[in-house]
Amino acid sequence: EVQLVESGGGLVQPGGSLRLSCAASGFSFSSHWMHWVRQVPGKGLVWLSRINPDDSITSYADSVKGRFTISRDNAKNTLYLQMNNLRVDDTAIYYCTRGFWGASDIWGQGTIVTVSS
Amino acid sequence: DIVMTQSPDSLAVSLGERATINCKSSQSVLYSSTNKNFLAWYQVKAGQPPKLLIYWASTRQSGVPDRFSGSGSGTDFTLTISSLQAEDVALYYCQQYNTSPFTFGPGTKVDIK
Repeated sequence: EVQLVESGGGLVQPGGSLRLSCAASGFSFSSHWMHWVRQVPGKGLVWLSRINPDDSITSYADSVKGRFTISRDNAKNTLYLQMNNLRVDDTAIYYCTRGFWGASDIWGQGTIVTVSS
Repeated sequence: DIVMTQSPDSLAVSLGERATINCKSSQSVLYSSTNKNFLAWYQVKAGQPPKLLIYWASTRQSGVPDRFSGSGSGTDFTLTISSLQAEDVALYYCQQYNTSPFTFGPGTKVDIK
């Protein structure tokens, strides 16, 4: 079964850091672009970042550029999102997704990040 | 950045009737060398992750019922649900993946009248 499972979310104070992980299974992880997308409950979807199969190309939304870093370990079939200098408005459900010609065809269940003092 | 807008914000349609959602991009998402529109549609139900419905503006994802169809080109796109079913109550989002950042529209809520 093709699956993405996120982990690493939790409660963190403003200015703090978290590293999200996304474990992939059931497909050739090293062949796919991967993305991170977030959703504030009751609000819309926000695309955050993407990474190419060999980890040589990354891009970010302006709202997280310089604070978040996407990376991957193809040997471990795992995608990461290092989040630094977190702000209250980073509170959201964070999804990792499998790239499909630039769209996202497989989504994890999400991990919840809450930034609050 | 490419700004995506959707209309209406919400709509209520009787069961079996047609639902139409519009999406507009601030720049063309047509990639001329391939003649493909880099536009996707997603469905989001409460408590569930998004589900890809349509890509390349009009190609239905595997397993998606054929009552869902996408159309349009350049900057103007439409998602049509030809005969609304109860299980189609959800939020619907368009996304452009032509130019990073791959921006989403604000969403359209579809409900039963």
